[in-house]
Amino acid sequence: GDSVTQMEGPVTLSEEAFLTINCTYTATGYPSLFWYVQYPGEGLQLLLKATKADDKGSNKGFEATYRKETTSFHLEKGSVQVSDSAVYFCALSDNTGGFKTIFGAGTRLFVKA
Amino acid sequence: DSGVTQTPKHLITATGQRVTLRCSPRSGDLSVYWYQQSLDQGLQFLIQYYNGEERAKGNILERFSAQQFPDLHSELNLSSLELGDSALYFCASSAQVSGTEAFFGQGTRLTVV
Repeated sequence: GDSVTQMEGPVTLSEEAFLTINCTYTATGYPSLFWYVQYPGEGLQLLLKATKADDKGSNKGFEATYRKETTSFHLEKGSVQVSDSAVYFCALSDNTGGFKTIFGAGTRLFVKA
Repeated sequence: DSGVTQTPKHLITATGQRVTLRCSPRSGDLSVYWYQQSLDQGLQFLIQYYNGEERAKGNILERFSAQQFPDLHSELNLSSLELGDSALYFCASSAQVSGTEAFFGQGTRLTVV
């Protein structure tokens, strides 16, 4: 079945460091891919998305490119801030009549001042 | 504010009891998802409803059930509660049955004592 695998955390970075959180997926169809973020004490929020191969999603300085050939959707940010400390979830949603969004296990990011 | 409303925010109950969690989706969204988030198992998909009909089941226990009403709000019923059922329960909604981003509520924190 469809699945999402993302790098284990926690990831600890200093402010202004470069961030990469790896995400790979398996899917039988052509899914849409998402990154969600969960700040402490809150629900998940959509961070960015990509709906087809080679699309790049971006928001708030974060970027991820839908790579069909490597079945990946890695999240990157050039310069993290303390306020980026959160849990990040990679997810997919099947476009071919599928019926649920599948989430990775989440990666906790700590950014130190 | 995602537009998804969950009540109650917190719930403390004893083992063996039954509780009902309520979710009001974003205006116009037909699809409702329930997820369980616990410390050791991450975000687990429980069940999805689309326009009143069950569309997908995930790792939902037989002691749990859900339904979506004609006004599109949904309820998750948890019975014969065990200590291990303590978790955050999230509801999410989306416009379509698949392929689109989901909007999450703030969650209901259930503590079973």
